[in-house]
Amino acid sequence: GENVEQHPSTLSVQEGDSAVIKCTYSDSASNYFPWYKQELGKRPQLIIDIRSNVGEKKDQRIAVTLNKTAKHFSLHITETQPEDSAVYFCAASRSQTGANNLFFGTGTRLTVIP
Amino acid sequence: GAVVSQHPSRVICKSGTSVKIECRSLDFQATTMFWYRQFPKQSLMLMATSNEGSKATYEQGVEKDKFLINHASLTLSTLTVTSAHPEDSSFYICSAQPSGPYEQYFGPGTRLTVT
Repeated sequence: GENVEQHPSTLSVQEGDSAVIKCTYSDSASNYFPWYKQELGKRPQLIIDIRSNVGEKKDQRIAVTLNKTAKHFSLHITETQPEDSAVYFCAASRSQTGANNLFFGTGTRLTVIP
Repeated sequence: GAVVSQHPSRVICKSGTSVKIECRSLDFQATTMFWYRQFPKQSLMLMATSNEGSKATYEQGVEKDKFLINHASLTLSTLTVTSAHPEDSSFYICSAQPSGPYEQYFGPGTRLTVT
């Protein structure tokens, strides 16, 4: 099955700085890579995703890059704000018609220091 | 759009009893729903995948007789934890997938405490 590794497990940055979280995956057939933000005791919220036919996607302060050859993808948050503080999970799946099983990384606790 | 609800949000039960958790997609039909378990400060672990009208597919190590899943309609899936034990205490989260192979939308989770 798919194995997703995520680093770092914790990350502290000063407000306004950038934050980068990296994930690797094992299944070369995986083709969908979402990122979720989870605040304490709440549901994971999809913040951005990328499919294997593109190498980069950006949405305002958030961007994701994908290197299929190396089987890794990264989340970049620029101009961080205190409200960005949360746990971030990457995931990978081999999407096809029907069920789309997500395999999650271990999470990164991001703290943005005002 | 794409709202998923879960009920109850919190439940405390005695050891040996059974607990049912409901997951509903409120504004879309979900061919597939997923059940996850999350321990404190840990990641989400997929327990099972349920498809409307068919048996659930369980991940390795998940006891299907203990965690009963019923996907009765395109908007409702239930997880029943049977003969609960303290080690079953956890945060259970469902997600629902609309038609199409990509996005999943998560419910708010149910915190189960078995005493």
